[in-house]
Amino acid sequence: QSALTQPASVSGSPGQSITISCTGTGSDIGANNYISWYQQHPGKAPKLMIFDVSNRPSVISNRFSGSKSGNTASLTISGLQAEDEADYYCLSYTVSSTLVLGSGTKVTVL
Amino acid sequence: EVQLVESGGGLVQSGRSLRLSCTGSGYVFEDYAVTWFRQAPGKGLEWVGFIRTLGQGGTTEYAASVKGRFIISRDDFKNIAYVQMNSLKSEDTAVYYCSRFYCSSTSCYDPIQDFWGQGTLVTVSS
Repeated sequence: QSALTQPASVSGSPGQSITISCTGTGSDIGANNYISWYQQHPGKAPKLMIFDVSNRPSVISNRFSGSKSGNTASLTISGLQAEDEADYYCLSYTVSSTLVLGSGTKVTVL
Repeated sequence: EVQLVESGGGLVQSGRSLRLSCTGSGYVFEDYAVTWFRQAPGKGLEWVGFIRTLGQGGTTEYAASVKGRFIISRDDFKNIAYVQMNSLKSEDTAVYYCSRFYCSSTSCYDPIQDFWGQGTLVTVSS
């Protein structure tokens, strides 16, 4: 199972919106809605940001949103803030009952 | 307060074994699967494997990179999950994280990793 494909880096200015894509196959992203997104700051543990494609934990800002189309999931960050600078990973369940992570995207706030 | 704490990391020689522990507290441990991830220095996260709840058979799934070498188990009396790592290689050097996801009475199919531990470093020397 190869890693899901994410852009290595995405950048934006404060206040702008950015979108991170996560591309898989019909055996993972395309096969279910069990897709989640995680934020990781340097030296810290990952943190759940989005689950089941587009649901947000109550403690997460509504600036974060998720979607899916076919074999590609996306995470959008609106109103970009300095604290959003981090690495982001997507995670999907697969038809083999395993998990697969995205390759990770470094978000830079200019 | 939900907490997951990894322990057991350290320096080990290539070819040897090491067992990591993940201790959960602040929640009903037996209701949650436990997942292990790792992150090599300067690299991205990698899924290692997970163990379902005993109610769902306590079965395990592994990434191809560790299958046959790593064994995940759990002790619900102690609220601890383990990963036994055998035949270690230099490429197993990483920070190992554990996390949890809820298993209903009927399935463990929604792997929402809602809480994570802070990780423990494993260094395999050649």
